[in-house]
Order: sequence, then C-alpha cells, then structure tokens
Amino acid sequence: DVKVTQSSRYLVKRTGEKVFLECVQDMDHENMFWYRQDPGLGLRLIYFSYDVKMKEKGDIPEGYSVSREKKERFSLILESASTNQTSMYLCASSTLWGDSYNEQFFGPGTRLTVL
Amino acid sequence: RKEVEQDPGPFNVPEGATVAFNCTYSNSASQSFFWYRQDCRKEPKLLMSVYSSGNEDGRFTAQLNRASQYISLLIRDSKLSDSATYLCVVNEAALGRLYFGRGTQLTVWP
Repeated sequence: DVKVTQSSRYLVKRTGEKVFLECVQDMDHENMFWYRQDPGLGLRLIYFSYDVKMKEKGDIPEGYSVSREKKERFSLILESASTNQTSMYLCASSTLWGDSYNEQFFGPGTRLTVL
Repeated sequence: RKEVEQDPGPFNVPEGATVAFNCTYSNSASQSFFWYRQDCRKEPKLLMSVYSSGNEDGRFTAQLNRASQYISLLIRDSKLSDSATYLCVVNEAALGRLYFGRGTQLTVWP
C-alpha cells in the first residue's frame, strides 16, 4: 500500500515563527503536492514538484516555499507564519506511470493553528 | 475562474435512496476525470475514474459528457457509510496536476 506520512497531525505556532511541514512517501513517486483545505474553499494547491530539486507554484504560493532534496520527501515552509495561514495542510504524491497514473495519494493532514 | 464547479449540497437522503451529483469543468482540453471521496476529518481518496463511455463500480455509476463538459456520479441504494464529501477532479494535462472541485456533502440517514 502507498503510504504518505506527514510529520505532525496538529501544530500550534505563533505569528512570525518559521514553520516546517514535512511529508514523506514510500512509493518512489515522481510527483508531490502541497494543498491547504479550508471550509467552503476546498483544496487549493500551494506548490508541487515533479522531480528532486524541482518546484512549481500552484494557485496560492504566497507566503510559502518548498524544498525537495530527496525524491521521497517534500517540505512546506512558512517563512513567517500569519494567522491567515491557519488551515489543514495536505500532502499528496502520484506517479507518472502505470495503472495508477494520476491518482493522488494523500497524507493524513496537518492541522496548523497560528496564534 | 474556477476550473471545476460542483453543487456543495448538502444532500440529505434516506438509506436506500438514489442520489446524483453533478460537476462542470471549464477547460475543454481536460484529459482525465475522477471522483474522490473524503470522510469527515480524513484525507481524500480516489473513488473512481470517469471514462467517456461511462463506468460502473457496484452501486456507483460515473458519466462523462465531453461536449457539455459535464461529469456526474450516481449512487444507488445509498448506505449510511456513503456519508462523505464527494470531490469532482479533473486533470487538464500530463504531469499529474489535478484540479479539485469544492466538494458535495452527502449525509445518508437511517
């Protein structure tokens, strides 16, 4: 079974702190994604990556950065957390090949609260 | 411009009912189509892919109308366990980026 894990289920940070959210997948997937999910707004793509050291902006990249130094790990960084970044953050991965092409496998999510 | 539009619901139906969800997408070049399911406080998971010819998986039937840029999901004989949010999802191009609708909430009551 594909497994996507995220470093924390719940996180509470203060305004201005630098926050790291880690995501690891164990299926050698090429693609990795970071979303945030807010009530009424659905899933919104922040950043994605097709390969190691590659990154692409999604729809709402402002205030975020990412790092992909290894294929299995994709980190989301909030350089200076703000209260409007309080949200559920979901990581996902997918492969470009085979029968499960395009299916995204999600981690359990990190609920971040910024005070 | 929202890529994928869905009726957010909520849909509240009794057990055994048939319920249908609809979705429209904006990009006529879209290539692949899916329905994902998200249980409360859980992550989204693939429910089924949607093919041009229509496809069925047990009580679930998905349809695609490319001319109208319209996708549907039909659930027959609803079960309590079908209560969830159903996400309409579209892939516009290669390389794996998906566009998610905001989801349609379904509650099945006994």
